[in-house]
Amino acid sequence: SQQGEEDPQALSIQEGENATMNCSYKTSINNLQWYRQNSGRGLVHLILIRSNEREKHSGRLRVTLDTSKKSSSLLITASRAADTASYFCATDSQWGGSEKLVFGKGTKLTVNP
Amino acid sequence: SQTIHQWPATLVQPVGSPLSLECTVEGTSNPNLYWYRQAAGRGLQLLFYSVGIGQISSEVPQNLSASRPQDRQFILSSKKLLLSDSGFYLCAWSFHLSGSPGELFFGEGSRLTVL
Repeated sequence: SQQGEEDPQALSIQEGENATMNCSYKTSINNLQWYRQNSGRGLVHLILIRSNEREKHSGRLRVTLDTSKKSSSLLITASRAADTASYFCATDSQWGGSEKLVFGKGTKLTVNP
Repeated sequence: SQTIHQWPATLVQPVGSPLSLECTVEGTSNPNLYWYRQAAGRGLQLLFYSVGIGQISSEVPQNLSASRPQDRQFILSSKKLLLSDSGFYLCAWSFHLSGSPGELFFGEGSRLTVL
């Protein structure tokens, strides 16, 4: 079953602008992760945020987590054409099956030069 | 450092033929191993995961099976492929940690087209 759901499905911006992607999930989690996928390639881990954290930064990436709303956002600042990719959130489950990581359908980001 | 190898990268198979996709991990021991499938323009669907040799958990009843004959080898198989088996198959591994899974490390994927 799909745990995370990203929004929007697609996003097109100009280079230099910020890109914000959102993720909603259904059940309580231990942590939430964001991944990036270039077209036709494997996924690459970007950042992990634990359920007791509210915000985390990594370079131009900023991730927030609101466990009361069961939602997370990924902000990419000062976007570049090389940021063009699909971005996925992934969640575990706090209740059993803790080895599993379930992915959303992703947001396809296009950064125009 | 750890690496993951997945092959073949591309495969075109007729309906009813068998399938074998292989994944191996180097540089670590006792990893958790995963097979995901991604349909065109869609998210990732977890198919199987394994926390140890011979321990396979199936997420979706389907035409596929998985095996882990060695600690760092994960194989996805089918006896008879269906058209609906077409997709992009991704193998991944993570460190074996108690509790929540950490970061997944993905292979480059195998694109399967069933005709």
